[in-house]
Amino acid sequence: NAGVTQTPKFRVLKTGQSMTLLCAQDMNHEYMYWYRQDPGMGLRLIHYSVGEGTTAKGEVPDGYNVSRLKKQNFLLGLESAAPSQTSVYFCASSLQGVTQYFGPGTRLTVL
Amino acid sequence: KNEVEQSPQNLTAQEGEFITINCSYSVGISALHWLQQHPGGGIVSLFMLSSGKKKHGRLIATINIQEKHSSLHITASHPRDSAVYICAVRFNNNNDMRFGAGTRLTVKP
Repeated sequence: NAGVTQTPKFRVLKTGQSMTLLCAQDMNHEYMYWYRQDPGMGLRLIHYSVGEGTTAKGEVPDGYNVSRLKKQNFLLGLESAAPSQTSVYFCASSLQGVTQYFGPGTRLTVL
Repeated sequence: KNEVEQSPQNLTAQEGEFITINCSYSVGISALHWLQQHPGGGIVSLFMLSSGKKKHGRLIATINIQEKHSSLHITASHPRDSAVYICAVRFNNNNDMRFGAGTRLTVKP
C-alpha cells in the first residue's frame, strides 16, 4: 500500500495563478483532511471530508476550494494564489476520525 | 487565545531522561491526538485518546477530561526521539480539528 500520497511535492506560483493539489489514499478511508503548516503557527485545518461527495470548512478555508468526487481522492484548489498562501500543505486520511495518516506534504511558494 | 496550548515550546534533554510534554485545551472535545513530526517533515500519529491512558513502547499518553489536560511521556529518551510533538483536539459533535504549536524536543547523546 502506498498510504497517503500528495502531488506535487513542490510548486512555485506567481500571484494570481491557479493550481490544484491532489491527495490520494489507498486505505479505503472515509475521512480526508487538508492542512497547512506555517512556521510558529502549527497545523491548521483548511477543509475536510467525511465521505465521497461531502466537504466541510475547517479553521482557515478562505481562498481554497475542495472536491471529493472519488473516495480515494481529495483535491485542494487555489483559484487565485496569494503570497499569504505560501505554506506547506499536508493531506491526511482516517477511518471514521480515528488515527490520521499523513501524506509527505507539498511545499508551495507564491511569489 | 489559542484553543490548544502546549508546553514547553522547546525541550532539551540528555539521553535516558524522562520527558513530559503537556497539552491544555479550552473547549469540550471528543478526542485528543498526539502526533510526531520528524526533522524531515513527515508526520506520524502516535496516539488518539478520549479517556484514561495509552502506552506504546516507551511512550505513554494520558488525558484528564475534567481538567482539559493531556500529557505525553517518553521514558528512557533517545536521540532518535528528537522531533516536534504536536497535540491536536477534535471538538465535540464535529470533525473540526485544532492543533497546538508543537513542542520541539532535542535529546542529546
